[in-house]
Amino acid sequence: AQKVTQAQTEISVVEKEDVTLDCVYETRDTTYYLFWYKQPPSGELVFLIRRNSFDEQNEISGRYSWNFQKSTSSFNFTITASQVVDSAVYFCALSENAGGTSYGKLTFGQGTILTVHP
Amino acid sequence: DTGVSQDPRHKITKRGQNVTFRCDPISEHNRLYWYRQTLGQGPEFLTYFQNEAQLEKSRLLSDRFSAERPKGSFSTLEIQRTEQGDSAMYLCASSRLGQGIAWDFYGYTFGSGTRLTVV
Repeated sequence: AQKVTQAQTEISVVEKEDVTLDCVYETRDTTYYLFWYKQPPSGELVFLIRRNSFDEQNEISGRYSWNFQKSTSSFNFTITASQVVDSAVYFCALSENAGGTSYGKLTFGQGTILTVHP
Repeated sequence: DTGVSQDPRHKITKRGQNVTFRCDPISEHNRLYWYRQTLGQGPEFLTYFQNEAQLEKSRLLSDRFSAERPKGSFSTLEIQRTEQGDSAMYLCASSRLGQGIAWDFYGYTFGSGTRLTVV
């Protein structure tokens, strides 16, 4: 069965520091998607990125960057020059192909609470 | 289109009462999912619809839970005889099929959720 582990329960940084959120996953599939979501105090899950298992290129979007390494089953997320508005819970998630029957069911990690202090 | 809508945003109910939540997906999305999120945890999958057909149910979905999507548009999730352990955020999401690939999907979008408190 698939599993997503976010070992860091809470991270606290001071504004402008860089911070990396770790995500390790387990799957038997060779075809799958990985996601990162942000959940601010309002509760809504905000989509950040979707990565196909075939595409191991790292991605950068503004202050956000993602490092996908299939060899270590990791999909880490880095925020550069953190800001107070980045304070939220961040979730990593996995969707397997499961022989074509997964239909997009996501398995989430437990989340990492990020607090950025001014 | 304003995204995935869920109603109500908050619900407080007494133990033993029945509650029903509604989810309106993005109009062109044919796939709809329900998740439950308890405090300090990530969302957990409950069930999934493709059009009006309920194709997968989690073991988390006990006999007291039932979900419907009668016309392939909005969906309802009903909890009968609520228990305090049902207190959680109930999240709905929708997506649309990829082109010619059954497992592929696009536009996965979550609603703001319904927060249920059972007292």
